[in-house]
Amino acid sequence: AQSVAQPEDQVNVAEGNPLTVKCTYSVSGNPYLFWYVQYPNRGLQFLLKYITGDNLVKGSYGFEAEFNKSQTSFHLKKPSALVSDSALYFCAVRDRSDYKLSFGAGTTVTVRA
Amino acid sequence: DAGVIQSPRHEVTEMGQEVTLRCKPISGHDYLFWYRQTMMRGLELLIYFNNNVPIDDSGMPEDRFSAKMPNASFSTLKIQPSEPRDSAVYFCASTKGTSGALTDTQYFGPGTRLTVL
Repeated sequence: AQSVAQPEDQVNVAEGNPLTVKCTYSVSGNPYLFWYVQYPNRGLQFLLKYITGDNLVKGSYGFEAEFNKSQTSFHLKKPSALVSDSALYFCAVRDRSDYKLSFGAGTTVTVRA
Repeated sequence: DAGVIQSPRHEVTEMGQEVTLRCKPISGHDYLFWYRQTMMRGLELLIYFNNNVPIDDSGMPEDRFSAKMPNASFSTLKIQPSEPRDSAVYFCASTKGTSGALTDTQYFGPGTRLTVL
């Protein structure tokens, strides 16, 4: 069975500071990994995904994520956070047998001005 | 591209009533997913379809829930009878799925916020 853990319910950072949202996964075999963002009263928006190749993946809005197979992690990062990055972030994993995605519980990011 | 379309955006109903949620996937997408989001349980996959055929409905909570996909551009999720514990945000998502390598991204609709009184 596949699963995702987001160990932090909340992350608070000051605008302009680096932002990291942590994610670890469990899956049999090689994973496909995704990050989504959800703004209040909106659906989930796709940020980026890791399929294969370079461990550093770049996505929308200046976000990037680093795949670390030995640590089974896929942390989301942004070098300089904006107030508008305040939202709920979800990590998701899919194994290579079907299209089902397993989501983490989500991390609420608050960026203060 | 219009994205995944869901209706209604908000639904308030009374316990015991039938509720029907609707979804139009992105044109050309072969897979459609229904999720439920609650504070207690997070995002749960209820059911998904491939080419209009249900593939996995193991997440459907009970017989009160049913889903159909009569054609490639429309799906419904029905709850009958509804109960207060069904109150949640229900999302529909779709993915192209033609690569065969399962690498395609799922795109989500805006959701339907259901409140059962």
